[in-house]
Amino acid sequence: GAVVSQHPSWVICKSGTSVKIECRSLDFQATTMFWYRQFPKQSLMLMATSNEGSKATYEQGVEKDKFLINHASLTLSTLTVTSAHPEDSSFYICSARVPRTGRTDTQYFGPGTRLTVL
Amino acid sequence: DQQVKQNSPSLSVQEGRISILNCDYTNSMFDYFLWYKKYPAEGPTFLISISSIKDKNEDGRFTVFLNKSAKHLSLHIVPSQPGDSAVYFCAASARTGNQFYFGTGTSLTVIP
Repeated sequence: GAVVSQHPSWVICKSGTSVKIECRSLDFQATTMFWYRQFPKQSLMLMATSNEGSKATYEQGVEKDKFLINHASLTLSTLTVTSAHPEDSSFYICSARVPRTGRTDTQYFGPGTRLTVL
Repeated sequence: DQQVKQNSPSLSVQEGRISILNCDYTNSMFDYFLWYKKYPAEGPTFLISISSIKDKNEDGRFTVFLNKSAKHLSLHIVPSQPGDSAVYFCAASARTGNQFYFGTGTSLTVIP
């Protein structure tokens, strides 16, 4: 199956600093990537849809100026948490979509990034 | 508005028995459904999918059933194994859209 990597897997930062998380599709090209956030014991919350070469589409309630998304190539999307605060501490997961061919369609997820803001 | 719902937050099953995880959806435009398995502090991994042109898809111990009229799908795991203990998410998508809609997850515990 398709492989998606995320880096870093765990990051601790001070309040007020910015953190960049990378999401890469390793063996396929992904025109669309998604960024999710998961709180403990809760579902995946879609934050934004990242389209290669265009602006990301943010879900309602997600601050686009705080969570900057860049999808500069077909294999890389980045999420930058700007001016991080302790409430931004969470598990961030990206996924890359393999488009529908022959009635198959799925998203492949990265391993996630644990962000802790002190 | 939660378009995909998993009403059972948790399920416990004895090893060797059948696990049945349920999922309901509200959007009649959904035509493709997936199940993902997630361990703590890891990303979800794709398990099995089904298109709306089918009502059943089987892959080893995992079978997904789709009841379009009831807008309901279920995942059957038989026989259940302790390694199946994880959180299971169902997801749905529409051909016209880009997004997958995820349920809230069901935490499965298989008791040895």
